[in-house]
Amino acid sequence: NAGVTQTPKFQVLKTGQSMTLQCAQDMNHNSMYWYRQDPGMGLRLIYYSASEGTTDKGEVPNGYNVSRLNKREFSLRLESAAPSQTSVYFCASGTTGQEETQYFGPGTRLLVL
Amino acid sequence: LAKTTQPISMDSYEGQEVNITCSHNNIATNDYITWYQQFPSQGPRFIIQGYKTKVTNEVASLFIPADRKSSTLSLPRVSLSDTAVYYCLVGDPYYNQGGKLIFGQGTELSVKP
Repeated sequence: NAGVTQTPKFQVLKTGQSMTLQCAQDMNHNSMYWYRQDPGMGLRLIYYSASEGTTDKGEVPNGYNVSRLNKREFSLRLESAAPSQTSVYFCASGTTGQEETQYFGPGTRLLVL
Repeated sequence: LAKTTQPISMDSYEGQEVNITCSHNNIATNDYITWYQQFPSQGPRFIIQGYKTKVTNEVASLFIPADRKSSTLSLPRVSLSDTAVYYCLVGDPYYNQGGKLIFGQGTELSVKP
């Protein structure tokens, strides 16, 4: 199993450009998540999807859109990138119930100039 | 969602036992306590989860007093490879198909030789 995979690993954008961060999991998890992590800070939830076909806003959703394409894939889109969106983005998938854990991908480093 | 408070940083030496305490005064009846570990340039990974009393696995122990307003992660005989950031999270793993976990700033543990 590959677990959670993310593409790209690193991206540089200019202000105003758009891009989509891709995430896929092969663990048959219902839930998937997008977080951002800024230097010296913890993770902040952007959006999550409790199941295929549903998405909900997290703590910092402004400037982002998501698509739960199917059970495996959950993408994050920046329509008009801003320097404040420079961050490391982590995708995670998870199970529900006791011992519920989230499994994280390797992250995407995004630099917006 | 219950807020957590942890020390920002801790130092230790190889071979010592490390205890990291997390305060969560407004923990709800259905909330579990979960700890994650994050190495530089990687996504967090699950360490341990508990509801009350003591939980032990091959990596760590989690101590939760009767009032559940705090919890202590215990790492036995740490090594240099345990240098990482440790996050304490409180939430209901049964709520809303996994719900939303809040990552605080975490505790940066530095293990010295």
